[in-house]
Amino acid sequence: DIQMTQSPSSLSASVGDRVTITCRASQSISTYLNWYQQKPGKAPRLLIYATFKLQSGVPSRFSGSESGTDFTLTISSLQPEDFATYYCQQSYSRPRTFGPGTKVDIK
Amino acid sequence: EVQLVEFGGGLAQPGGSLRLSCAASGLTFSEDWMHWVRQAPGKGLVWVAQISPDGTDTNYADSVEGRFTISRDNTKNTLHLQMDSLRAEDTALYYCVREVTAMRTYYFDYWGQGTLVTVSS
Repeated sequence: DIQMTQSPSSLSASVGDRVTITCRASQSISTYLNWYQQKPGKAPRLLIYATFKLQSGVPSRFSGSESGTDFTLTISSLQPEDFATYYCQQSYSRPRTFGPGTKVDIK
Repeated sequence: EVQLVEFGGGLAQPGGSLRLSCAASGLTFSEDWMHWVRQAPGKGLVWVAQISPDGTDTNYADSVEGRFTISRDNTKNTLHLQMDSLRAEDTALYYCVREVTAMRTYYFDYWGQGTLVTVSS
Protein backbone atom coordinates (compact mmCIF):
# COMPACT_ATOMS: atom_id res chain seq x y z
CA ASP A 1 0.00 0.00 0.00
CA ILE A 2 1.11 3.58 -0.66
CA GLN A 3 1.91 5.48 2.52
CA MET A 4 1.06 9.16 2.83
CA THR A 5 2.69 11.62 5.20
CA GLN A 6 1.77 15.21 5.96
CA SER A 7 3.58 18.14 7.49
CA PRO A 8 3.14 19.87 9.74
CA SER A 9 0.78 17.84 11.90
CA SER A 10 -0.64 21.09 13.20
CA LEU A 11 -0.16 24.79 12.75
CA SER A 12 -1.45 28.01 14.23
CA ALA A 13 -2.23 30.90 11.93
CA SER A 14 -4.10 34.16 11.83
CA VAL A 15 -6.88 35.31 9.57
CA GLY A 16 -5.33 36.62 6.37
CA ASP A 17 -2.21 34.44 6.61
CA ARG A 18 -0.97 32.35 3.71
CA VAL A 19 -0.95 28.72 4.81
CA THR A 20 0.87 25.82 3.18
CA ILE A 21 0.41 22.14 3.99
CA THR A 22 2.62 19.46 2.47
CA CYS A 23 1.82 15.85 1.66
CA ARG A 24 4.31 13.23 0.52
CA ALA A 25 3.67 9.86 -1.07
CA SER A 26 5.87 6.82 -0.50
CA GLN A 27 6.08 6.27 -4.25
CA SER A 28 5.18 8.06 -7.43
CA ILE A 29 1.44 8.73 -7.69
CA SER A 30 1.49 11.02 -10.73
CA THR A 31 -1.13 13.68 -10.00
CA TYR A 32 -3.59 11.33 -8.27
CA LEU A 33 -3.77 13.36 -5.09
CA ASN A 34 -6.85 14.74 -3.37
CA TRP A 35 -7.36 17.12 -0.45
CA TYR A 36 -10.21 17.09 2.07
CA GLN A 37 -11.25 19.49 4.78
CA GLN A 38 -12.92 18.30 7.97
CA LYS A 39 -14.49 20.47 10.63
CA PRO A 40 -15.33 19.14 14.11
CA GLY A 41 -18.44 16.99 14.12
CA LYS A 42 -18.73 17.05 10.34
CA ALA A 43 -17.95 14.65 7.53
CA PRO A 44 -14.92 15.42 5.37
CA ARG A 45 -15.45 17.68 2.37
CA LEU A 46 -13.58 17.36 -0.91
CA LEU A 47 -11.58 20.50 -1.71
CA ILE A 48 -9.18 19.58 -4.50
CA TYR A 49 -8.84 16.51 -6.69
CA ALA A 50 -6.20 15.42 -9.17
CA THR A 51 -3.66 17.69 -7.46
CA PHE A 52 -4.89 20.95 -8.95
CA LYS A 53 -8.61 20.77 -9.68
CA LEU A 54 -10.91 22.72 -7.41
CA GLN A 55 -14.13 20.96 -6.47
CA SER A 56 -17.26 22.90 -7.38
CA GLY A 57 -18.15 25.46 -4.74
CA VAL A 58 -14.70 25.59 -3.15
CA PRO A 59 -13.29 29.13 -2.83
CA SER A 60 -10.43 30.07 -5.13
CA ARG A 61 -8.16 30.87 -2.18
CA PHE A 62 -7.53 27.12 -2.05
CA SER A 63 -5.03 25.74 -4.53
CA GLY A 64 -2.92 22.65 -5.04
CA SER A 65 0.47 21.96 -6.57
CA GLU A 66 3.03 19.19 -6.85
CA SER A 67 6.73 18.57 -7.19
CA GLY A 68 7.57 14.94 -7.74
CA THR A 69 6.13 12.99 -4.83
CA ASP A 70 5.54 16.14 -2.77
CA PHE A 71 2.17 17.86 -2.92
CA THR A 72 1.08 21.16 -1.45
CA LEU A 73 -2.24 22.63 -0.40
CA THR A 74 -2.15 26.41 -0.17
CA ILE A 75 -4.70 28.72 1.37
CA SER A 76 -3.80 32.14 0.04
CA SER A 77 -5.58 34.17 2.71
CA LEU A 78 -6.90 32.21 5.67
CA GLN A 79 -10.51 32.89 6.57
CA PRO A 80 -12.30 32.12 9.87
CA GLU A 81 -14.19 29.24 8.26
CA ASP A 82 -10.93 27.59 7.16
CA PHE A 83 -9.91 26.52 10.65
CA ALA A 84 -10.18 22.76 10.30
CA THR A 85 -8.19 19.59 9.74
CA TYR A 86 -6.93 18.85 6.24
CA TYR A 87 -6.22 15.40 4.83
CA CYS A 88 -4.51 14.35 1.65
CA GLN A 89 -5.39 11.11 -0.12
CA GLN A 90 -3.76 9.25 -2.97
CA SER A 91 -5.99 7.81 -5.68
CA TYR A 92 -3.22 6.30 -7.81
CA SER A 93 -3.84 2.79 -6.57
CA ARG A 94 -6.15 0.84 -4.31
CA PRO A 95 -6.51 1.11 -1.36
CA ARG A 96 -7.03 4.88 -1.43
CA THR A 97 -4.88 5.79 1.56
CA PHE A 98 -5.07 9.02 3.54
CA GLY A 99 -2.44 11.15 5.17
CA PRO A 100 -2.60 11.59 8.96
CA GLY A 101 -4.03 15.10 8.74
CA THR A 102 -2.95 18.67 9.47
CA LYS A 103 -4.91 20.67 12.01
CA VAL A 104 -5.09 24.40 11.35
CA ASP A 105 -6.11 26.41 14.36
CA ILE A 106 -6.27 30.02 15.41
CA LYS A 107 -3.11 31.73 16.57
CA GLU B 1 -29.81 15.73 -4.04
CA VAL B 2 -27.32 13.03 -3.15
CA GLN B 3 -27.76 11.43 0.24
CA LEU B 4 -25.82 8.70 1.99
CA VAL B 5 -27.41 7.72 5.28
CA GLU B 6 -25.66 5.24 7.51
CA PHE B 7 -27.33 3.26 10.27
CA GLY B 8 -26.74 0.20 12.40
CA GLY B 9 -24.05 1.51 14.70
CA GLY B 10 -24.20 1.13 18.44
CA LEU B 11 -22.59 -0.60 21.39
CA ALA B 12 -21.13 -4.05 20.94
CA GLN B 13 -19.10 -6.28 23.22
CA PRO B 14 -15.60 -7.41 22.29
CA GLY B 15 -15.95 -10.44 20.08
CA GLY B 16 -19.44 -9.39 19.07
CA SER B 17 -20.94 -8.37 15.74
CA LEU B 18 -22.67 -5.43 14.15
CA ARG B 19 -24.03 -4.84 10.68
CA LEU B 20 -23.81 -1.34 9.28
CA SER B 21 -25.92 -0.21 6.36
CA CYS B 22 -25.90 2.83 4.13
CA ALA B 23 -28.90 3.92 2.12
CA ALA B 24 -27.96 5.84 -1.02
CA SER B 25 -30.16 8.15 -3.05
CA GLY B 26 -29.69 10.71 -5.78
CA LEU B 27 -26.72 8.97 -7.39
CA THR B 28 -26.01 6.18 -9.85
CA PHE B 29 -25.36 3.69 -7.07
CA SER B 30 -25.04 0.63 -9.28
CA GLU B 31 -22.24 2.34 -11.26
CA ASP B 32 -20.20 3.54 -8.30
CA TRP B 33 -17.32 2.20 -6.26
CA MET B 34 -18.32 2.50 -2.62
CA HIS B 35 -16.18 2.60 0.50
CA TRP B 36 -16.29 2.53 4.26
CA VAL B 37 -13.93 4.93 6.01
CA ARG B 38 -13.64 5.15 9.78
CA GLN B 39 -12.43 7.69 12.28
CA ALA B 40 -11.62 6.82 15.86
CA PRO B 41 -12.39 9.54 18.40
CA GLY B 42 -9.92 12.38 17.98
CA LYS B 43 -8.01 10.55 15.25
CA GLY B 44 -7.62 10.72 11.49
CA LEU B 45 -9.41 9.11 8.58
CA VAL B 46 -8.71 5.45 7.92
CA TRP B 47 -9.93 3.59 4.86
CA VAL B 48 -11.63 0.31 5.83
CA ALA B 49 -13.11 -1.43 2.80
CA GLN B 50 -14.20 -0.96 -0.80
CA ILE B 51 -16.50 -2.69 -3.24
CA SER B 52 -16.80 -2.48 -7.00
CA PRO B 53 -20.03 -1.40 -8.70
CA ASP B 54 -21.13 -4.97 -9.39
CA GLY B 55 -19.98 -6.24 -6.00
CA THR B 56 -17.51 -8.78 -7.33
CA ASP B 57 -14.34 -6.95 -6.28
CA THR B 58 -13.79 -6.21 -2.60
CA ASN B 59 -10.75 -5.15 -0.62
CA TYR B 60 -10.06 -4.55 3.05
CA ALA B 61 -7.59 -2.83 5.32
CA ASP B 62 -5.23 -5.30 6.98
CA SER B 63 -6.67 -4.40 10.37
CA VAL B 64 -10.15 -5.72 9.45
CA GLU B 65 -9.32 -8.42 6.88
CA GLY B 66 -11.08 -11.66 7.78
CA ARG B 67 -13.39 -9.97 10.29
CA PHE B 68 -15.36 -7.45 8.20
CA THR B 69 -17.34 -8.08 5.02
CA ILE B 70 -18.50 -5.37 2.66
CA SER B 71 -21.45 -6.03 0.39
CA ARG B 72 -24.07 -4.18 -1.59
CA ASP B 73 -27.59 -4.57 -2.90
CA ASN B 74 -27.90 -2.58 -6.11
CA THR B 75 -31.64 -3.30 -6.30
CA LYS B 76 -32.09 -1.41 -3.03
CA ASN B 77 -29.24 1.13 -3.37
CA THR B 78 -27.80 -0.09 -0.12
CA LEU B 79 -24.25 -0.71 1.10
CA HIS B 80 -23.44 -2.96 4.05
CA LEU B 81 -20.56 -3.68 6.37
CA GLN B 82 -20.78 -6.86 8.41
CA MET B 83 -18.44 -6.49 11.37
CA ASP B 84 -17.56 -9.66 13.30
CA SER B 85 -15.05 -10.43 16.05
CA LEU B 86 -15.14 -6.80 17.07
CA ARG B 87 -12.27 -5.33 19.06
CA ALA B 88 -11.97 -2.22 21.19
CA GLU B 89 -9.83 -0.65 18.48
CA ASP B 90 -12.74 -0.86 16.04
CA THR B 91 -14.46 1.88 18.04
CA ALA B 92 -14.98 4.71 15.56
CA LEU B 93 -17.36 6.73 13.48
CA TYR B 94 -17.94 4.82 10.25
CA TYR B 95 -18.56 6.78 7.05
CA CYS B 96 -20.13 5.49 3.87
CA VAL B 97 -18.43 7.14 0.89
CA ARG B 98 -18.96 7.29 -2.88
CA GLU B 99 -15.95 7.36 -5.14
CA VAL B 100 -15.99 9.17 -8.45
CA THR B 101 -14.18 7.20 -11.15
CA ALA B 102 -14.46 9.13 -14.36
CA MET B 103 -12.09 10.37 -17.02
CA ARG B 104 -9.09 8.97 -15.13
CA THR B 105 -9.81 10.97 -12.02
CA TYR B 106 -10.68 9.31 -8.75
CA TYR B 107 -11.88 10.95 -5.57
CA PHE B 108 -14.40 10.65 -2.76
CA ASP B 109 -17.10 13.22 -3.39
CA TYR B 110 -20.03 12.22 -1.19
CA TRP B 111 -19.82 11.18 2.44
CA GLY B 112 -22.56 10.16 4.82
CA GLN B 113 -22.87 11.68 8.27
CA GLY B 114 -21.38 8.57 9.88
CA THR B 115 -22.62 5.98 12.33
CA LEU B 116 -20.84 5.44 15.63
CA VAL B 117 -19.60 2.02 16.65
CA THR B 118 -18.47 1.52 20.24
CA VAL B 119 -16.87 -1.75 21.28
CA SER B 120 -16.73 -2.13 25.02
CA SER B 121 -17.62 -4.58 27.75
